[in-house]
Amino acid sequence: EVVLAQSPGTLSLSPGERATLSCRASQSLRNNYLVWYQQKPGQAPRLLIYDTSNRATGVPDRFSGSGSGSDFTLTISRLEPEDFAIYYCQQYDKTPTTFGQGTKVDIK
Amino acid sequence: EVQLVESGGGSVQPGGSLRLSCAASGFIFSNFGMSWVRQLPGGGLQWVSGIPSRGGDTYHADFAKGRFTISRDNTNSMLYLQMTSLRAEDTALYYCAKEITSRGTPVLDLWGQGSLVTVSS
Repeated sequence: EVVLAQSPGTLSLSPGERATLSCRASQSLRNNYLVWYQQKPGQAPRLLIYDTSNRATGVPDRFSGSGSGSDFTLTISRLEPEDFAIYYCQQYDKTPTTFGQGTKVDIK
Repeated sequence: EVQLVESGGGSVQPGGSLRLSCAASGFIFSNFGMSWVRQLPGGGLQWVSGIPSRGGDTYHADFAKGRFTISRDNTNSMLYLQMTSLRAEDTALYYCAKEITSRGTPVLDLWGQGSLVTVSS
């Protein structure tokens, strides 16, 4: 199965700063079927981005996704207080769908 | 209100069984594929099972094959996960989640609050 490695494990930033999160796949995702979720403590994951770069309904445009093949990035252009959370990537290019281990974005 | 509400979790001994239920409301349940995803105690997410909008073919992770069965009742907007031969490593928070399409594409845009399953002797 496809292993997704997310880096860094923890990203410590201040509000207003730019966050760049990486997701690297162990195999090339030919269709770029890469998804990003946000999870806050005590809450279920929330869909942010699907198919590498499509924002889900209601997701602010400070969130953007990019990449292709094996390397994918989630960028938060200017961190808002509510953006401090854990972010997971997921691939569904190959069966079974798999998730990365998560990147925690916390307040510096 | 658009929501998913899971129930049926609890504590069970190894080898035991549980049936999780998920009640959907606020959207046309029969139009969307559904999945179960679990979150392990360490925080990792694992897709468990999926079913397309009209039922029929179902899909399971390798660890679930032969032990877990996903099913749905479109008349009553319900999703189920029957779990048997439970192991300690099945201990997790089990989420019911709605897919964005009808055909088993596991992009999940609506999640329940989760149902905790603990397998321990």
